[in-house]
Amino acid sequence: QKEVEQDPGPLSVPEGAIVSLNCTYSNSAFQYFMWYRQYSRKGPELLMYTYSSGNKEDGRFTAQVDKSSKYISLFIRDSQPSDSATYLCAMSANRDDKIIFGKGTRLHILP
Amino acid sequence: DTAVSQTPKYLVTQMGNDKSIKCEQNLGHDTMYWYKQDSKKFLKIMFSYNNKELIINETVPNRFSPKSPDKAHLNLHINSLELGDSAVYFCASSPRDVPGNTIYFGEGSWLTVV
Repeated sequence: QKEVEQDPGPLSVPEGAIVSLNCTYSNSAFQYFMWYRQYSRKGPELLMYTYSSGNKEDGRFTAQVDKSSKYISLFIRDSQPSDSATYLCAMSANRDDKIIFGKGTRLHILP
Repeated sequence: DTAVSQTPKYLVTQMGNDKSIKCEQNLGHDTMYWYKQDSKKFLKIMFSYNNKELIINETVPNRFSPKSPDKAHLNLHINSLELGDSAVYFCASSPRDVPGNTIYFGEGSWLTVV
């Protein structure tokens, strides 16, 4: 089993819909969880960071971590065409450990 | 104003050649990285340097040699390029004084070996 699993998509949803992106992982030592957004021909940029379990909200974005299920989610409300990108989950066990990335989910928001 | 800048952005070269990719960050971060993103978009760490000192060296062929002249620069030199080296290489940096591992990526260098 890979350390981090993420459905590559593509996922196409109409503008204004709620988007749910997910990752599962196998290493119970992971404590730091991140979501990165990567536009075509660009580098990934950090969207959300969460430590341990729980929810975190930032504008239209909500990150959820369920450590008991080893499952993390990113929700995007009122999705916009500008949200079309690849979303990568990432996680690490300790602050100085290497970060393990998921393969990314390609998201298309249809106008 | 670019935080992490890397050059060149695009590089097409023949098998067997030696090439370098340069990276600079103006964020004052202590840690810098090289990541490789393959054709399937899988992003994997290659090297990590902290204050010019190598701290992570993943299973990467020794044809790849990073060099950090100072903590703001981390260059990647690749000898005897092979077809399988074709990928996007991202330089990145991160601070040590914030919680978690938040990484700032450059825009990538698209390497094509023919």
